[in-house]
Amino acid sequence: DAGVTQSPTHLIKTRGQQVTLRCSPISGHKSVSWYQQVLGQGPQFIFQYYEKEERGRGNFPDRFSARQFPNYSSELNVNALLLGDSALYLCASSWDRGNQPQHFGDGTRLSIL
Amino acid sequence: GIQVEQSPPDLILQEGANSTLRCNFSDSVNNLQWFHQNPWGQLINLFYIPSGTKQNGRLSATTVATERYSLLYISSSQTTDSGVYFCAVADLSSGSARQLTFGSGTQLTVLP
Repeated sequence: DAGVTQSPTHLIKTRGQQVTLRCSPISGHKSVSWYQQVLGQGPQFIFQYYEKEERGRGNFPDRFSARQFPNYSSELNVNALLLGDSALYLCASSWDRGNQPQHFGDGTRLSIL
Repeated sequence: GIQVEQSPPDLILQEGANSTLRCNFSDSVNNLQWFHQNPWGQLINLFYIPSGTKQNGRLSATTVATERYSLLYISSSQTTDSGVYFCAVADLSSGSARQLTFGSGTQLTVLP
């Protein structure tokens, strides 16, 4: 079975632009979470979606938004990009119920010039 | 929110040596995972271990939930074990096992 897939793998943007990152969960997984990993740090939780509803949000500004589609794939949008948004963006999926492990994709590396 | 501390921050070993990585957390958890992040940035699941002991080949992990710590053991280390090891937890108060808080990681370098 395919793992969590993310696209694109790399992206270069300039300050002020907007970006959309995409994630397809493992087949059968209904929960998708997004994380931001700045160089030299551990990943930080941004959003969790389950059944197309936001179930959790980390300490990120309103420039960050996300949604989940009926097929459980998800998009992360970031508006008005800042230099500090340069990071590896990771998507994770898990089964919908109970305490289950998170499975991560390979991430999208976003560079802001 | 929950605090996660990992030690040591850096570890350099000769190939074949054994090591123990530690993760302390400040509150009760309903999810604890160990990950290995390779030099290409891939985050690889090692263990899902909110309590108890598990083994997978040369790796094993133990979580003592009542004392709020977890240990990752690497035996007979190989150069391919190099990378950053992260502990991540989800605290009971968040109501979700899917909102992970990561530690700052242990950078492991295994020399040939």
